[in-house]
Amino acid sequence: DTAVSQTPKYLVTQMGNDKSIKCEQNLGHDTMYWYKQDSKKFLKIMFSYNNKELIINETVPNRFSPKSPDKAHLNLHINSLELGDSAVYFCASSHGDPGNTIYFGEGSWLTVV
Amino acid sequence: AQSVTQLGSHVSVSEGALVLLRCNYSSSVPPYLFWYVQYPNQGLQLLLKYTSAATLVKGINGFEAEFKKSETSFHLTKPSAHMSDAAEYFCARGGGGNKLTFGTGTQLKVEL
Repeated sequence: DTAVSQTPKYLVTQMGNDKSIKCEQNLGHDTMYWYKQDSKKFLKIMFSYNNKELIINETVPNRFSPKSPDKAHLNLHINSLELGDSAVYFCASSHGDPGNTIYFGEGSWLTVV
Repeated sequence: AQSVTQLGSHVSVSEGALVLLRCNYSSSVPPYLFWYVQYPNQGLQLLLKYTSAATLVKGINGFEAEFKKSETSFHLTKPSAHMSDAAEYFCARGGGGNKLTFGTGTQLKVEL
């Protein structure tokens, strides 16, 4: 009964490849997010979608393209992967108003070699 | 820019001792503040949050935090540490679009 589920959990790929991470939430939330956690465990928001519309894009390289086919899904596609893209990517969801609890998925560990 | 500062990237306590993890925020207005915990190789789980109701907030697993506007702090405490509390703890503030800005995290180690 996972609330926010993302796949794959682990991904090892070569530089230059294109990969996608999928995310789904069954909480009925209207807002979904992608956060990136680097090797020093620093967490930073990448994107936020509200009702399938992009509302936050935190100066992420345009090789990263989120797609929200509906309110329950937010996928992340990454083109031309670079070594520096190695990180843990967390999907999350909430109701959109400030102060609402944000629920996180288990994370996707991306390693670019 | 509005930010969150966590003092101490590593904190070590003995089992049964008081846990105190520090968090300060910068803001001209009271923010929404959160504490999340991350166990190894897992996602983030909400411990507690402050949303301008009671200044003393109780969370899960015996944790609590007190919002002190005069000190711009939201420190996390637990009276008696347990081995299972060993994890990474993140303080965060909520902003526009319900975006979370995280502190740099504090690794809590609990020793026998």
